[in-house]
Amino acid sequence: DAKTTQPPSMDCAEGRAANLPCNHSTISGNEYVYWYRQIHSQGPQYIIHGLKNNETNEMASLIITEDRKSSTLILPHATLRDTAVYYCIVRVASSNTGKLIFGQGTTLQVKP
Amino acid sequence: GAVVSQHPSRVICKSGTSVKIECRSLDFQATTMFWYRQFPKQSLMLMATSNEGSKATYEQGVEKDKFLINHASLTLSTLTVTSAHPEDSSFYICSARDQGSLNYGYTFGSGTRLTVV
Repeated sequence: DAKTTQPPSMDCAEGRAANLPCNHSTISGNEYVYWYRQIHSQGPQYIIHGLKNNETNEMASLIITEDRKSSTLILPHATLRDTAVYYCIVRVASSNTGKLIFGQGTTLQVKP
Repeated sequence: GAVVSQHPSRVICKSGTSVKIECRSLDFQATTMFWYRQFPKQSLMLMATSNEGSKATYEQGVEKDKFLINHASLTLSTLTVTSAHPEDSSFYICSARDQGSLNYGYTFGSGTRLTVV
């Protein structure tokens, strides 16, 4: 699975949009981009995933560049409860037994 | 949505004893589950892949005789830390994938905080 690069930390003001970038320049054509987050002392939580089209759900939006070498996770109105470590992972979605390998992620601090 | 239950959430044990951690998929079947370990201020490190009805696959550097994995049914995998030592103190997390939803992703348990004294 392709490697990802994320900034180690970011701050965001409460109520503003949080934009978390991820570089995955070696992504293959059949690899999806997944985003998870981990709130302190809890298991990771699935947020969203996509292949090449932009995706939106009740939690966030995922913007993938046309060349698929990078993506941005957008939390439209960040709250204090969104403070967490956010992980961007790329892998082949159709693989039933494929492993999820976590990088260092981005620690997002939402400030009042 | 898919739910994975992990038990216990917290355990303290004496050095030299063994500890068993359970991971259950509550509303789906999972032929494959995964076990991670996480030290403070670090990312999740994959320890092993648990396969129902067969031997687990361990990542490089993980001692299979120390971290025993059993996946006896489609909804339960267990991790036993044998002869635990203080350096085994960590946050252990399991995950499983809902095979009925190929694109959904993996669901994680809430983790087990192990402290070896």
